[in-house]
Amino acid sequence: AQTIHQWPVAEIKAVGSPLSLGCTIKGKSSPNLYWYWQATGGTLQQLFYSITVGQVESVVQLNLSASRPKDDQFILSTEKLLLSHSGFYLCAWSIDWTNTGQLYFGEGSKLTVL
Amino acid sequence: GDSVTQKEGLVTLTEGLPVMLNCTYQTIYSNAFLFWYVHYLNESPRLLLKSSTDNKRTEHQGFHATLHKSSSSFHLQKSSAQLSDSALYYCALSESSNTNKVVFGTGTRLQVLP
Repeated sequence: AQTIHQWPVAEIKAVGSPLSLGCTIKGKSSPNLYWYWQATGGTLQQLFYSITVGQVESVVQLNLSASRPKDDQFILSTEKLLLSHSGFYLCAWSIDWTNTGQLYFGEGSKLTVL
Repeated sequence: GDSVTQKEGLVTLTEGLPVMLNCTYQTIYSNAFLFWYVHYLNESPRLLLKSSTDNKRTEHQGFHATLHKSSSSFHLQKSSAQLSDSALYYCALSESSNTNKVVFGTGTRLQVLP
């Protein structure tokens, strides 16, 4: 069975500080990977997706970047956090390009920027 | 661009009554897929339903929805609400089966009371 794990579960960070959120998928080779962001009370907004190692496409920038250093790992980061980065970050995977709407989400990482 | 509209932010009803959560969408892609995701408190969002062909009903776990391309709708229904159905429900759209962009609506919170 496939499992998806995100870390950290929650972070409280200062404006201007760096951030790194991670996501690991086990039990599925070459998944499509996604980062979603949800502001408090807002909808799920797609930020990035990746279909293979080293290849990441941006959907909405928000002064964030993403990387896929390994087949099973997806990293979201920034060097300088803004207040507007607060929210809930969800990593997700789909089987392949033929099933892109069928997403399997991780537990999420809650980010509070002060 | 694509958009998904869920007009009701909150739907409150009594256990045993029928459920209907509205979802309409806009897209230029004739082969778009529609989805319903359910997000229970303290869990990750998970896929509930995926649309089939035009005017065909799809069902899962007592819920059902029918894609109507003529009215660009994919409303979620259930004949009898249960207390355990209380959750946040998202309608989502994927442009076609082989794109990596999935757009979510703002979500409808369903609150079922005894």
